[in-house]
Amino acid sequence: EVQLVQSGAEVKKPGESLKISCKGSGYSFTSYWIGWVRQMPGKGLEWMGIIYPGDSDTRYSPSFQGQVTISADKSISTAYLQWSNLKASDTAMYYCARRQNDYGDYWGQGTLVTVSS
Amino acid sequence: EIVLTQSPGTLSLSPGERATLSCRASQSVSSSYLAWYQQKPGQAPRLLIYGASRRATGIPDRFSGSGSGTDFTLTISRLEPEDFAVYYCQQYGSSPGTFGQGTKVEIK
Repeated sequence: EVQLVQSGAEVKKPGESLKISCKGSGYSFTSYWIGWVRQMPGKGLEWMGIIYPGDSDTRYSPSFQGQVTISADKSISTAYLQWSNLKASDTAMYYCARRQNDYGDYWGQGTLVTVSS
Repeated sequence: EIVLTQSPGTLSLSPGERATLSCRASQSVSSSYLAWYQQKPGQAPRLLIYGASRRATGIPDRFSGSGSGTDFTLTISRLEPEDFAVYYCQQYGSSPGTFGQGTKVEIK
């Protein structure tokens, strides 16, 4: 069974750094792109960027380039999304998804990130 | 960037009724690379349809997708209580893809 399990909810202060994770199982982790999706409170879905764990090829949506860093450790089948300088506007639910031909066929349960002073 | 516009914003229907959701693209979506997702409150999105009309694994046949080019439709033939949710379309003809803003299907 394909599963993506994300790390737990986080509460941070503006200016802090954060790294959240997404662990894949039940499939060949290095053979599929993983994407990260942001959903701000009460809003829709936005692809932030994608990574191919097989070779760490990473691509960012223009709105998120330079704002976050996506990485992966294929030895432990885990992808990451990190921030170095959180803002209140980063408060959102973040999902990882396995990309099958560029659509998300399996999704993690989501990680809620709250940034507040 | 391809912009997807979904309509209506909210659809108020009763169980057993037919739901028709629209997704219009600002330019042609190549090879009908259009997917639909369902999202219920507090849950992650779930893939329903890919390739404009192909049902994902385990999706009931009351869900169907159609369309090509710039106009796509998701139809739920007879609404079940568990179908009341928000539905998103996503084009993946140009990576990484863009989502529509969603249509909420609510109980009338």
